[in-house]
Amino acid sequence: EVQLVESGGGLVQPGGSLRLSCAASGFIISTYGMHWVRQAPGRGLEWVASIEQDASENYVGSVKGRFTISRDNAENSLYLQMNSLRAEDTAVYYCANFDYWGQGTQVTVSS
Amino acid sequence: DVEMTQSPLSLPVTLGQPAFISCKSSQSLVSGDGNTYLHWFQQRPGQSPRRLLYNVFNRDSGVPDRFSGSGSGTDFTLKISRVEAEDVGVYYCMQGTHWPPYTFGQGTKLEIK
Repeated sequence: EVQLVESGGGLVQPGGSLRLSCAASGFIISTYGMHWVRQAPGRGLEWVASIEQDASENYVGSVKGRFTISRDNAENSLYLQMNSLRAEDTAVYYCANFDYWGQGTQVTVSS
Repeated sequence: DVEMTQSPLSLPVTLGQPAFISCKSSQSLVSGDGNTYLHWFQQRPGQSPRRLLYNVFNRDSGVPDRFSGSGSGTDFTLKISRVEAEDVGVYYCMQGTHWPPYTFGQGTKLEIK
């Protein structure tokens, strides 16, 4: 059974950092493009970042230079390092390969 | 960036009646490999998104056959042939042809009339 389980969300002050994790089971993440997608309160879906099979990284413009996506093939896990966080980064963050999605982890940026 | 525009944004439907959601892209979604990477997702209240259809019309495993997709180029449609209570939620189209970034439509909220 395929599962994606996110963790690492929480409350952080503006300018702070968080590292999200996504543990995958039932498939090998390095054989898929893997993504982080976020959903601000009451809003729609926004693609944030991806890491492709060849390990190339892509980001939406608003997070470039602040967020870093990575994966650990041995752990079959995906990560999102988020630095210089802003209030507008507040959202539920989902890990996905688009076929499958995790349950999401809440990130709240507030003083 | 490719802009995805859905309509309507709110869709009240009577149980058993059909529902149609339109999705238009700001440029053609036909890829150089000949595929069209236009996908549809459903997000039920309080749940994570779930993909229903990929590459315009291919149903994902476990998706009822009352869901179908059509279209080409820049104009696409999701059809639910007979709406059931479990179909309540928000529906998103997403393009995966011209990335980064992958872009979603604004979402269409389906409710039972």
